[in-house]
Amino acid sequence: EVQLVESGGGLVQPGGSLRLSCAASGFTVTRSYMSWVRQAPGKGLEFVSMIYRNGGIYHSDSVKGRFTISRDSSKGTVYLQMNSLRHEDAAIYYCARDLEGDYLIDYWGQGTLVIVSS
Amino acid sequence: QLVLTQAPSASASLGASVRLTCTLSSGHSSYAIAWHQQKPEEGPRYLMQLNSDGSHIRGDGVPARFSGSSSGSERYLTISTLQSEDEADYYCQTWGSGIRGLVFGGGTKLTVL
Repeated sequence: EVQLVESGGGLVQPGGSLRLSCAASGFTVTRSYMSWVRQAPGKGLEFVSMIYRNGGIYHSDSVKGRFTISRDSSKGTVYLQMNSLRHEDAAIYYCARDLEGDYLIDYWGQGTLVIVSS
Repeated sequence: QLVLTQAPSASASLGASVRLTCTLSSGHSSYAIAWHQQKPEEGPRYLMQLNSDGSHIRGDGVPARFSGSSSGSERYLTISTLQSEDEADYYCQTWGSGIRGLVFGGGTKLTVL
C-alpha cells in the first residue's frame, strides 16, 4: 500500500529554520518525481520544490535560496530544509508523488502544518 | 508561462451532474493535466489524469461517476449523480512550460445543493 507521511511541522519564529520529512512506503522514491506543495490558510495549492529520479532539483522562485529539497533513498524519505522562514511561508505542506515522471501528481500525503510567528 | 484558469465556484443539485472546466493558456492545448479533489479539512486526493484527446485514467478507488473530457485548450471534469460528499474544492494541475515545476489552477469550490 502506498503511503506518504509528513512530519516536522510546527511553530517557528521569522528567520528560523525547520526540516520537514516525508516517509514513503509502497514504492521507491528514486523511481518517482517527488514534490512539496503548500497551501496557505484559505488559499489554493502552490508548488514549492521537486526532486527528480536522477536527483536533480527545482525550487519555485518564492523559496529559491532559502529552501532545499533532498532525499535519503535508504530510508525512503524526502526532506524539505526550510531556512530564513517568513510569515508568508506559513502553510500546510504536502508531500506528493509523480510515479510516471510526467509531472502529474498521482498521490498525496496528509500534510504537516508550519506556523511562522513571533 | 503556462496558466491554468478555473472558475472559483460552481453548484449543482444532489443527484444531478456538473461539469467543471480548466482552461490552459494559449499555446498549451496539447498538455495533459491531473484533477485533484480536496474536501474540507482534508488533504488533496488525486482523481485522474486527463489527456488532450480526452482519454483519462482514474486513480485507485475513484468512482466511475467521475469522468474527464477535453476540447482544444479546455479540460473538463464531469461528476454524475452528485452526492453530498462530492462537495469539495477541485484543482487542475500540470507542469510549467519552460520551467520544471508544477502549475495549479486556482481551484473550483463545488457546492452540492
